[in-house]
Amino acid sequence: GAGVSQSPSNKVTEKGKDVELRCDPISGHTALYWYRQSLGQGLEFLIYFQGNSAPDKSGLPSDRFSAERTGGSVSTLTIQRTQQEDSAVYLCASSLVNRGTGELFFGEGSRLTVL
Amino acid sequence: DQQVKQNSPSLSVQEGRISILNCDYTNSMFDYFLWYKKYPAEGPTFLISISSIKDKNEDGRFTVFLNKSAKHLSLHIVPSQPGDSAVYFCAASEGGSNYKLTFGKGTLLTVNP
Repeated sequence: GAGVSQSPSNKVTEKGKDVELRCDPISGHTALYWYRQSLGQGLEFLIYFQGNSAPDKSGLPSDRFSAERTGGSVSTLTIQRTQQEDSAVYLCASSLVNRGTGELFFGEGSRLTVL
Repeated sequence: DQQVKQNSPSLSVQEGRISILNCDYTNSMFDYFLWYKKYPAEGPTFLISISSIKDKNEDGRFTVFLNKSAKHLSLHIVPSQPGDSAVYFCAASEGGSNYKLTFGKGTLLTVNP
């Protein structure tokens, strides 16, 4: 499809396990973002990739969280030693950076439940 | 410290009437504001945006008003339609573009037929 694709759509894991969430952005979009939405909260910025520049990791909540973007396209968000507070919907978005409207195109999200 | 606040968690209006969704912000460095709409089990979709150099932007049934002195913006939907029922998020950024948006918690709009 032409939109942002995320997998898995749902993930249930046990506390302490590692998880990987994948994002395939819209072709040609140079900017890629990860946000998360915890229950009853707004979207929280996690990390931003733009081209070959160093990513802005300022939103990552702890060193258990990491992300990489290979070949300027697909991105993987990894959460190590998951905790119950990591339960949230993890949303990936992509954009054309120089678009004047500032529009981000979001995927449907990966719902993570940590038991 | 919530920099973007949507103080009404929900709003209910009749079809055909105006819906007004409000958003307040505290960071005076924000210079670009956006509204996103989100249906259940879907990602947010962009609705409308406004730069801080403007006080109004209109797109069809949707108008966003910005009051910089009050650090307040609002989204007006006229006329409201049942298909508009969704969660609406207000978002803001510094630097004039889409980098690192700060979102509010959202307002659930229900438009009753």
